[in-house]
Amino acid sequence: QPVLTQSSSASASLGSSVKLTCTLSSGHRSYIIAWHQQQPGKAPRYLMKLEDSGSYNKGSGVPDRFSGSSSGADRYLSISNLQSVDEADYYCETWAGNTRVFGGGTSLTVL
Amino acid sequence: EVQLLESGGGLVQPGGSLRLSCAASGFTFSSYAMTWVRQAPGKGLEWVSEISESGTRADYADSVKGRFTISRDNSKNTVFLQMNSLRADDSAVYYCAKVKEAAGTDFWGRGTLVTVSS
Repeated sequence: QPVLTQSSSASASLGSSVKLTCTLSSGHRSYIIAWHQQQPGKAPRYLMKLEDSGSYNKGSGVPDRFSGSSSGADRYLSISNLQSVDEADYYCETWAGNTRVFGGGTSLTVL
Repeated sequence: EVQLLESGGGLVQPGGSLRLSCAASGFTFSSYAMTWVRQAPGKGLEWVSEISESGTRADYADSVKGRFTISRDNSKNTVFLQMNSLRADDSAVYYCAKVKEAAGTDFWGRGTLVTVSS
């Protein structure tokens, strides 16, 4: 089954941009993933589906500041014009057959 | 508006049982697979179980296989998670989520807290 690897933490300044990475394990680099945001004390929120081509489809109400891209086994979530509300944990997710897998999550701090 | 409302969480002793429910509204429930994901305090997301649209197929994480049972009632737009032989490491917030085919879990409930402790 696929494994998703994320850095445990990231930080960026208010108003700047950040790019978070989710890496698919060997043999799974073509997999579609989803990105989720979890603000402190809240349930996760679906951000987007992201394909290996870099094509992405965002969920309802997700701001234009959020975008996705891909390169090989890496799937990226980019956030521009960072706001304080973007300080959250970000998880990637994928699925294969009879299992669903989440990455360990990246905790984003907005400085 | 899509809504998922979990219930049934609480404090239970090790070895005990709980039944979680998730009431869905705002979408055609019978057209979507549903999944349960949990999050232990201070930890990441862990997939638990998933059930197909019709309920004919159910899948489980190895950590709960043989102890948990997922089911659904499409006439009542509700999905259930029966949890038996509970252990301390089952303590977590349990989220119900809607699955969009080839797109991931595209909507989450607010979660229900399960605490397994003597």
